[in-house]
Amino acid sequence: LAKTTQPISMDSYEGQEVNITCSHNNIATNDYITWYQQFPSQGPRFIIQGYKTKVTNEVASLFIPADRKSSTLSLPRVSLSDTAVYYCLVAGGSYIPTFGRGTSLIVHP
Amino acid sequence: GAGVSQSPRYKVAKRGQDVALRCDPISGHVSLFWYQQALGQGPEFLTYFQNEAQLDKSGLPSDRFFAERPEGSVSTLKIQRTQQEDSAVYLCASSPPLAGASNEQFFGPGTRLTVL
Repeated sequence: LAKTTQPISMDSYEGQEVNITCSHNNIATNDYITWYQQFPSQGPRFIIQGYKTKVTNEVASLFIPADRKSSTLSLPRVSLSDTAVYYCLVAGGSYIPTFGRGTSLIVHP
Repeated sequence: GAGVSQSPRYKVAKRGQDVALRCDPISGHVSLFWYQQALGQGPEFLTYFQNEAQLDKSGLPSDRFFAERPEGSVSTLKIQRTQQEDSAVYLCASSPPLAGASNEQFFGPGTRLTVL
């Protein structure tokens, strides 16, 4: 199982862009990179998934360099409601996703 | 249904009691996962079903934990003789037919179990 490393916590302010980087040095060829968001007392919610280069949806962008050993989740113009824990997962060859501790993002007014 | 539902949302048990936690996945979803989430930690995999077949139960912490999905839809996680260390949030997730870890998992709200 590919292990991921991401910062335990981050702070930002409303309107700023937030970038959360995840390291996954032993990612396998058939692994995808997926990010989830979790609010207190709720289950995780899928944000975005990618394999290589850049993926963008209505919520976020995901940047993956050519070596795929890391990835960066970019949240444009965060608001207070983006305060949550963000998990980076690497899986594909194995169906068992490993969540880790995630990054606790706090957005300040 | 709109999403994955779990019941009960909260459960308090006395040490030694048996508990049963229910998960109703999204209709048509083939894959179903159970996770355990301790306070301040990420979800940890417990077990995985594809339809009614339990393909992996390597994450179940002891033989007191048992999961089933007899008709390939609703699943039940049973914990026998609960211990205080079983206190956690138990999350259920389902995935559509193109199952695999690369596919999006849809999570329920979880059941918070407190063992006194």
